[in-house]
Amino acid sequence: KNEVEQSPQNLTAQEGEFITINCSYSVGISALHWLQQHPGGGIVSLFMLSSGKKKHGRLIATINIQEKHSSLHITASHPRDSAVYICAVRSIDSNYQLIWGAGTKLIIKP
Amino acid sequence: GAGVSQSPSNKVTEKGKDVELRCDPISGHTALYWYRQSLGQGLEFLIYFQGNSAPDKSGLPSDRFSAERTGGSVSTLTIQRTQQEDSAVYLCASSLGGRSYEQYFGPGTRLTVT
Repeated sequence: KNEVEQSPQNLTAQEGEFITINCSYSVGISALHWLQQHPGGGIVSLFMLSSGKKKHGRLIATINIQEKHSSLHITASHPRDSAVYICAVRSIDSNYQLIWGAGTKLIIKP
Repeated sequence: GAGVSQSPSNKVTEKGKDVELRCDPISGHTALYWYRQSLGQGLEFLIYFQGNSAPDKSGLPSDRFSAERTGGSVSTLTIQRTQQEDSAVYLCASSLGGRSYEQYFGPGTRLTVT
């Protein structure tokens, strides 16, 4: 079993829909990252969080440490949100290595 | 610069040749990371630098891979005698350092070994 699991693996939605991507992990963590990867490989860090909730524009990330679960939400989705969204956790056993989820490929249709 | 930069952005090389990939981290970031992403795969950790030293080289896939960092800034990832399985996007990230700092990623170098 992978230490970081994301769901769904693929998600196709219509423009304007509310999107939720889930991340569950099985290790103790000091931080969880959500990253966005567009076609061509560039990766952008969206959020780093260790508790609670963060919001940036139409993106919201939440984490429940007790349940070892995080969600990334996109409100009023747009075709430009189409990308691979990756969850990665920093284990408490390492001060630098990230354990990566497999990613969720999101396609927003106009 | 404002962000992490990498060069070249694309590199096509013949099997057996050596290649050097460069990463310029964000100024002031003491930690630097190299990752590899093969086609259709997740990211694979290669090596981590804190300053000029690399406390963890465990992710380097073979002794054909080496990396150095000079002056606590620029890092070079060298692949000797490239093989086709080395084809991937090589990503560099930097952070202020320590346990809780966010990693900022460069645009990557797409390496194709023919």
